[in-house]
Amino acid sequence: KAGVTQTPRYLIKTRGQQVTLSCSPISGHRSVSWYQQTPGQGLQFLFEYFSETQRNKGNFPGRFSGRQFSNSRSEMNVSTLELGDSALYLCASSLRTVNTEAFFGQGTRLTVV
Amino acid sequence: DQQVKQNSPSLSVQEGRISILNCDYTNSMFDYFLWYKKYPAEGPTFLISISSIKDKNEDGRFTVFLNKSAKHLSLHIVPSQPGDSAVYFCAASEGNRDDKIIFGKGTRLHILP
Repeated sequence: KAGVTQTPRYLIKTRGQQVTLSCSPISGHRSVSWYQQTPGQGLQFLFEYFSETQRNKGNFPGRFSGRQFSNSRSEMNVSTLELGDSALYLCASSLRTVNTEAFFGQGTRLTVV
Repeated sequence: DQQVKQNSPSLSVQEGRISILNCDYTNSMFDYFLWYKKYPAEGPTFLISISSIKDKNEDGRFTVFLNKSAKHLSLHIVPSQPGDSAVYFCAASEGNRDDKIIFGKGTRLHILP
């Protein structure tokens, strides 16, 4: 069974640009969550999608958005990039029944210069 | 507002001894707790979980203890091995409400030869 796939693995963007990251969940998983990891801040929750609907949202500005397609694949978009957006962005998928764990992809390392 | 707190950023343990990683939480509605392990340049991988109806769950060398009254959980690794050197994240969710998973900032474990 293929794991969670995130593309691209690495990305360098200029301040002010926008970026789109992609996540393909494990087959059969309908929930996709996005997290931002920065040094010293751990994994900060961005949002969660389930069956194409955003079900939960973290405390990030509106520049961070996402969507989920009918095949459960998800994209995350960050507009007007800032230097502080440089981070590892992780996607996790799960069955999202009660008390289930999430499975993570390898992440996309975004560097804003 | 950190709902899941890992107060030790790092921990060094001699190979063969017991590693104890601690985690505190503030949200009394959390009823499902997870531990993840993360190597550099990889996504977190699920280690072990515990439901609030239990106070202990064991899986091989890994045991998680939950003290609901103290809102505290700990992960014990016995015996510690070199491959255990990684960052460990504690996480929690309101599982019965099907809610998002909230992570702590992580503890970096160094296993010393």
